[in-house]
Amino acid sequence: AAGVIQSPRHLIKEKRETATLKCYPIPRHDTVYWYQQGPGQDPQFLISFYEKMQSDKGSIPDRFSAQQFSDYHSELNMSSLELGDSALYFCASTPPGYNEQFFGPGTRLTVL
Amino acid sequence: AQSVSQHNHHVILSEAASLELGCNYSYGGTVNLFWYVQYPGQHLQLLLKYFSGDPLVKGIKGFEAEFIKSKFSFNLRKPSVQWSDTAEYFCAVIPHGSGNTGKLIFGQGTTLQVKP
Repeated sequence: AAGVIQSPRHLIKEKRETATLKCYPIPRHDTVYWYQQGPGQDPQFLISFYEKMQSDKGSIPDRFSAQQFSDYHSELNMSSLELGDSALYFCASTPPGYNEQFFGPGTRLTVL
Repeated sequence: AQSVSQHNHHVILSEAASLELGCNYSYGGTVNLFWYVQYPGQHLQLLLKYFSGDPLVKGIKGFEAEFIKSKFSFNLRKPSVQWSDTAEYFCAVIPHGSGNTGKLIFGQGTTLQVKP
């Protein structure tokens, strides 16, 4: 069965650089969620999209932006990276009308 | 604010011991409840979920959980743990109702270490 795809799986950046993380939901899933998991922390909700519109926003810094495209994939854009942005970034998708989230493998971002 | 609390941050057990991890949430309305497992360096995997019906739910790998609405709890249990159960365990909630858009609220996680 198809799963959520995230790319890249690992990313190393310098401070003040930018990064773009991509998420490809399971086919026919219409909602995408982004979570950030810092070292030794629980995942924290960042932002979500339903049918290409932002549906909710959590503790996402102003330096970050995201969008969902017509093919339902989503991108998380991160600018002016800081050391504290080093984390595992998960994307999850849900099918229409169903609350179970299916998680991708995550992108591990390291900011040096 | 809606929150999830896991009672145990670090649990060490010997193989074949029984496991119970506590989870409580703060929300008075309808919720969906989940337990996820995260093996070292890996992504979150769903162990089990509760949406409605029988409050005792069975998941994968011999895990089960009981939803007690009056106690706002969803404790995870396994009668006999194995070394391969060593992982991080997260309880999570999706609150329903106005203003809730399906995002998961996670507990702080419990690190389970099983000694062979």
